[in-house]
Amino acid sequence: DAGVIQSPRHEVTEMGQEVTLRCKPISGHDYLFWYRQTMMRGLELLIYFNNNVPIDDSGMPEDRFSAKMPNASFSTLKIQPSEPRDSAVYFCASRSGQPNEKLFFGSGTQLSVL
Amino acid sequence: SQQGEEDPQALSIQEGENATMNCSYKTSINNLQWYRQNSGRGLVHLILIRSNEREKHSGRLRVTLDTSKKSSSLLITASRAADTASYFCATGTQGGSEKLVFGKGTKLTVNP
Repeated sequence: DAGVIQSPRHEVTEMGQEVTLRCKPISGHDYLFWYRQTMMRGLELLIYFNNNVPIDDSGMPEDRFSAKMPNASFSTLKIQPSEPRDSAVYFCASRSGQPNEKLFFGSGTQLSVL
Repeated sequence: SQQGEEDPQALSIQEGENATMNCSYKTSINNLQWYRQNSGRGLVHLILIRSNEREKHSGRLRVTLDTSKKSSSLLITASRAADTASYFCATGTQGGSEKLVFGKGTKLTVNP
């Protein structure tokens, strides 16, 4: 298995632009999580899906952030409009099985908003 | 909000020494997990310990859990330069939540 695949690996954009981050979970995993990592706040859970349905989006910072999972093999996290404070590494992770079992992480997207 | 808090924030040791990292958490859990992150990479799962377990081993890793003190420790024995990474604890809370909440990590440097 190729693992969790994220794209792009790096994204540099200007303030006000739309940013779309992509994730392909491991086949057969029915949970997908989006995390954001910064030095100041550590690793924060933004949203997670179960069977393509958003379950908890309480970590999404504001309305500029949205996430979708149109099918079991693809999810997007969109920021519109982007701001410099959105600069961070965004990770996608997936798992299956019982609640709280181990997560498999992608390599992350390093986002820089200028 | 952070559930787990790792201690120390940074640790520097010589190759061959043991490294001990601690994690404290606040609410009741059903399991606690440790992850490793190499610079610029995603997190990799190391070991999971359930709330009814007190100790678990995996290779050179030893994890303990004290639910009365709401704390856990990760011991890496006979450390190697390749163990240089950040280590995070993550807690799965009781009550049906499916979230894993991560601490801010301990940055371990193993000097050759």
